Amino acid sequence: TQLLEQSPQFLSIQEGENLTVYCNSSSVFSSLQWYRQEPGEGPVLLVTVVTGGEVKKLKRLTFQFGDARKDSSLHITAAQPGDTGLYLCAGGRTGGGADGLTFGKGTHLIIQP
Amino acid sequence: DAGVIQSPRHEVTEMGQEVTLRCKPISGHNSLFWYRQTMMRGLELLIYFNNNVPIDDSGMPEDRFSAKMPNASFSTLKIQPSEPRDSAVYFCASSISRTFGTQYFGPGTRLTVL
Repeated sequence: TQLLEQSPQFLSIQEGENLTVYCNSSSVFSSLQWYRQEPGEGPVLLVTVVTGGEVKKLKRLTFQFGDARKDSSLHITAAQPGDTGLYLCAGGRTGGGADGLTFGKGTHLIIQP
Repeated sequence: DAGVIQSPRHEVTEMGQEVTLRCKPISGHNSLFWYRQTMMRGLELLIYFNNNVPIDDSGMPEDRFSAKMPNASFSTLKIQPSEPRDSAVYFCASSISRTFGTQYFGPGTRLTVL
């Protein structure tokens, strides 16, 4: 069974600070995806990384896929209250379109004004 | 365009009752996924369909759970009989079946079994 471990589980910081959350596995994934989920809603895809060592940026969010494709990180610069939410990483054999995803348990992020 | 539609949004039932959750995928999507989310176990894949055919149901916890997709625009997840440990948020997601495709999630059904 492929497992994804996310850390930290909970993180509360002040507006303007930087943060990094991690997603680690003992297995190799063809790709990793990051989702953000708000209360009462389903997860929404932020990014897909597919190549070992790949770095993608989405405004103040930077996503990195490990060289061995077993781990990934999400870095947020100058966090804002609107970044508050549950951040989930997910791995799949074909990247999610054609098969089910394995999700980590998520990082609950709170950005305080 | 409408997103994935799930009904009901909330369901409260008593142990032993049958529960049916419904999902309408995004038009044109040919893959459909059922997930369950709890605080303890996170988001878990239960079953998924490609072109209305069940591909992998290894995540279905017990024989009490069953899922059907009679056509491209409708799927059901049924629990019979329901138990308190089935309490969770159940999500349906759909996608176009291709490598690195995006799964679009519905708003979920919050199920409480008393």
